[in-house]
Amino acid sequence: AQSVTQLGSHVSVSEGALVLLRCNYSSSVPPYLFWYVQYPNQGLQLLLKYTTGATLVKGINGFEAEFKKSETSFHLTKPSAHMSDAAEYFCAVSRTAGTALIFGKGTTLSVSS
Amino acid sequence: DVKVTQSSRYLVKRTGEKVFLECVQDMDHENMFWYRQDPGLGLRLIYFSYDVKMKEKGDIPEGYSVSREKKERFSLILESASTNQTSMYLCASSLSRVGEQYFGPGTRLTVT
Repeated sequence: AQSVTQLGSHVSVSEGALVLLRCNYSSSVPPYLFWYVQYPNQGLQLLLKYTTGATLVKGINGFEAEFKKSETSFHLTKPSAHMSDAAEYFCAVSRTAGTALIFGKGTTLSVSS
Repeated sequence: DVKVTQSSRYLVKRTGEKVFLECVQDMDHENMFWYRQDPGLGLRLIYFSYDVKMKEKGDIPEGYSVSREKKERFSLILESASTNQTSMYLCASSLSRVGEQYFGPGTRLTVT
């Protein structure tokens, strides 16, 4: 069965530090990949997506992610964390059969000053 | 901008009540989804619909039903609410079946 694994339910960084949120997936065919962000008491907002083409994808708020097929990974990075980046982040992949997405369990990012 | 709205942000219901959660999208999307979100479990798909009057079960459909009479509206129904259905419920819509989904703000349901 397809799955999405986000390594680390909580990640803490200092303001200005590199942000790295890890996502690995299992899929028999290259999927579409997504990162979403959720601020407290809000719905999910799309950060970035990979469908085809360039494997390094840039998103909003300075985030980017790289699709690595050989590693079945789609890690999210940001060179310099800002206090406003504190939120929960979800990785998602498209299902090979049917519709809808499969979401990881989420990673809560804390940013300290 | 795609807008997905949900009828209530917070809802408190009693065990055994019938509960309706409404979701409306304004972008003429074919596909609509209901998820529940619980701490440590992420988002789990309850039901989705790919056309008016069409629906498919997701990963956790037990205890829920859905209705889609109009393209823009997708309702989640808890026939007889139970305390283990206390959760955050998120509605989403998408243009394509495997494309990005647009989410509503969520309804936090408490069943007492």
